[in-house]
Amino acid sequence: GQSLEQPSEVTAVEGAIVQINCTYQTSGFYGLSWYQQHDGGAPTFLSYNALDGLEETGRFSSFLSRSDSYGYLLLQELQMKDSASYFCALRGSGNTGKLIFGQGTTLQVKP
Amino acid sequence: GAVVSQHPSWVICKSGTSVKIECRSLDFQATTMFWYRQFPKQSLMLMATSNEGSKATYEQGVEKDKFLINHASLTLSTLTVTSAHPEDSSFYICSARVAATNYGYTFGSGTRLTVV
Repeated sequence: GQSLEQPSEVTAVEGAIVQINCTYQTSGFYGLSWYQQHDGGAPTFLSYNALDGLEETGRFSSFLSRSDSYGYLLLQELQMKDSASYFCALRGSGNTGKLIFGQGTTLQVKP
Repeated sequence: GAVVSQHPSWVICKSGTSVKIECRSLDFQATTMFWYRQFPKQSLMLMATSNEGSKATYEQGVEKDKFLINHASLTLSTLTVTSAHPEDSSFYICSARVAATNYGYTFGSGTRLTVV
């Protein structure tokens, strides 16, 4: 099976940089994704790593190290609207294409 | 962009009744849809994978007779919660892969089910 672990909560101040870590266990996968979810809303795609290294998309960056079974999401220039839950997710290497989500990290941005 | 429309957005039903949730892909064909359940402050738990024209594949521990999934066309998948009980109250979300991109998953807006 697959499992992903994330910190349950992170707090940071507006304008700061925060890193949300994700460690995983899997027998094989295509890539690691990151999603943002506000209360009562649907998850929205943020970033994806198929290969090791850093992917940058505006204020958000994501990193993957397959050898360490580890990834992280980096949020820069934090804004109040970034307060939300963040999930890492694995797409397994089978044909189903299903996404398995981590437990989620609640980010609270303070003024 | 690819949009999945999910209805209803919220529903309240009496214990013992059934509720149907619909997900439609509006501008693309979704041969596969995924159904998730999310309890407050928890993760999205995959319930089943729905395939057009064939039986759904359920995750371990999910009762297939209780959560009926039908994917009769390339644009519509439905989840019916049968004989609902208060413990079935949750947020249900559907998702579909978009084209051939590895990361292209789009999600419905979710359905908040409350069983009283």
